[in-house]
Amino acid sequence: KNQVEQSPQSLIILEGKNCTLQCNYTVSPFSNLRWYKQDTGRGPVSLTIMTFSENTKSNGRYTATLDADTKQSSLHITASQLSDSASYICVVIMYSSASKIIFGSGTRLSIRP
Amino acid sequence: GAVVSQHPSWVICKSGTSVKIECRSLDFQATTMFWYRQFPKQSLMLMATSNEGSKATYEQGVEKDKFLINHASLTLSTLTVTSAHPEDSSFYICSANLGQGTPYEQYFGPGTRLTVT
Repeated sequence: KNQVEQSPQSLIILEGKNCTLQCNYTVSPFSNLRWYKQDTGRGPVSLTIMTFSENTKSNGRYTATLDADTKQSSLHITASQLSDSASYICVVIMYSSASKIIFGSGTRLSIRP
Repeated sequence: GAVVSQHPSWVICKSGTSVKIECRSLDFQATTMFWYRQFPKQSLMLMATSNEGSKATYEQGVEKDKFLINHASLTLSTLTVTSAHPEDSSFYICSANLGQGTPYEQYFGPGTRLTVT
C-alpha cells in the first residue's frame, strides 16, 4: 500500500533551536518528494522538491534530505523563528500516467519564544 | 511566481443550499487542477482531479453528483457543493500544475473555509 508517514505528529521547540522532521514512504514507483509548509487557515506553500537522484536540497533555513534506498526523507530547520510555527507536510508523487499524489499527515511545529 | 487564487476565502451557507468555489491560476495556464478537502488538524484529502475540457476524475468515496467540478478554461476551475449539509463544513483547497505531465511544480490556492449551518 502506498503510504507516507511523518513523525513526530507534533513538536514544540524554543525559538532559535534547530529541529528535524521525518518522513518515511512506501510509494512506488517514485517520482519526486516534496515538503510543504502550511500555516493555519492557509494553503500549503512549497519548500523543496527532490527527484530520485537528489540527496539534499536547501531553501534558506530549510534543508531537506532524501535517501531513496531506505525511502526516508527529513526536513531540517535551522535557527527556528516564531514564523516557522506551522504544519509541515511531506508529499510523494507516484510516477504514473495519473501522477498520483500521496500526502503525509503532517507534523505540527510550534515555536515558543 | 505562479499564483493560484480562490474565491471566496470563506463562506457561510444554510443547509440545503449550493455553494460555488472558484479556483484561478492568475499568471499561468493550468491544464490540470486538483481539489482537496481538509478537516481540522488533518492533512489534505484529494477529492478530484480536474482536467480542462473534460470530466473530472473523482477519488473513491467522493460523490460526483454532490461535488460538481467544472474546468471550463485553462485558468479557471469551479467546485460546487450541492445541497450542502453541516458535515460538508471544511476547508477546501485547490491546486494547479505548472506544465503538463508529471506535476513537477504544484501551486496551492489559499483555501476556502465553508461553514454550513
